[in-house]
Amino acid sequence: GENVEQHPSTLSVQEGDSAVIKCTYSDSASNYFPWYKQELGKRPQLIIDIRSNVGEKKDQRIAVTLNKTAKHFSLHITETQPEDSAVYFCAASSTDSNYQLIWGAGTKLIIKP
Amino acid sequence: EAQVTQNPRYLITVTGKKLTVTCSQNMNHEYMSWYRQDPGLGLRQIYYSMNVEVTDKGDVPEGYKVSRKEKRNFPLILESPSPNQTSLYFCASSLFPGLAGVEQFFGPGTRLTVL
Repeated sequence: GENVEQHPSTLSVQEGDSAVIKCTYSDSASNYFPWYKQELGKRPQLIIDIRSNVGEKKDQRIAVTLNKTAKHFSLHITETQPEDSAVYFCAASSTDSNYQLIWGAGTKLIIKP
Repeated sequence: EAQVTQNPRYLITVTGKKLTVTCSQNMNHEYMSWYRQDPGLGLRQIYYSMNVEVTDKGDVPEGYKVSRKEKRNFPLILESPSPNQTSLYFCASSLFPGLAGVEQFFGPGTRLTVL
C-alpha cells in the first residue's frame, strides 16, 4: 500500500526567508496530493493541492511542486511570516488506496522573528 | 454555517468504560472519516464511510467501532477503552473521498484521556 514520508519533522526559519517541506510517496498510481496546515490547538485545513497531471501550482506565497518520476512533492512558502508557524501535513491518494488519503507525519514550522 | 462538529471536545475516562464520540456535518457530504493524531505519527485513519450504511476499516481500527445510520452523523464508539487510545481524535467529511480538488473538512477535535 501507499506510504508517505515527510521531511523534515521540524523546520526553523528566519522571518522573511523561504521554507521547503518535502514528501515522498511509494505508490506510482497516486494522483492527488494535498497539503494541510494545522495551527496550534486547531483543526487541519487545506491550504493547497495538486493533481498528478500538473507539475506546479501557486497561490500567493505558497506553491507545490510535483515530480512524478521521482515520486516526491514539495511545499514552498516564500517570505515567511509569523502566522505561517504551524504543523504542515502532506498526503497522497490513489485509486489503489480506495481514494483514502495517506498522510505524512507532519512538519512543525517555526518562524523566528 | 457549514461545519463539522464533534462532542465532547475533552474527555477523561477510565479503562473499560464504554464511550461514544459524536460527529455531525451539515454539508450533505457523502464521505466521513475518523482519524487519531499522536505526536510524531501524523494523522492515522481509524474508520471511514463512503455513504450511509457503508463503513470500512482504516489503518488503525482495533478497539473502535463506527456506524453510519444517517448521512450527517458518524459516531466513534470505544467499547472498552484502554490507555493506548489516549489521543486527539478528528472527524472529517468531504463530498467524495480523496478525489482531486475535494477538500476534507475537519471537526474541532476531541482530546481523550484514558486512565
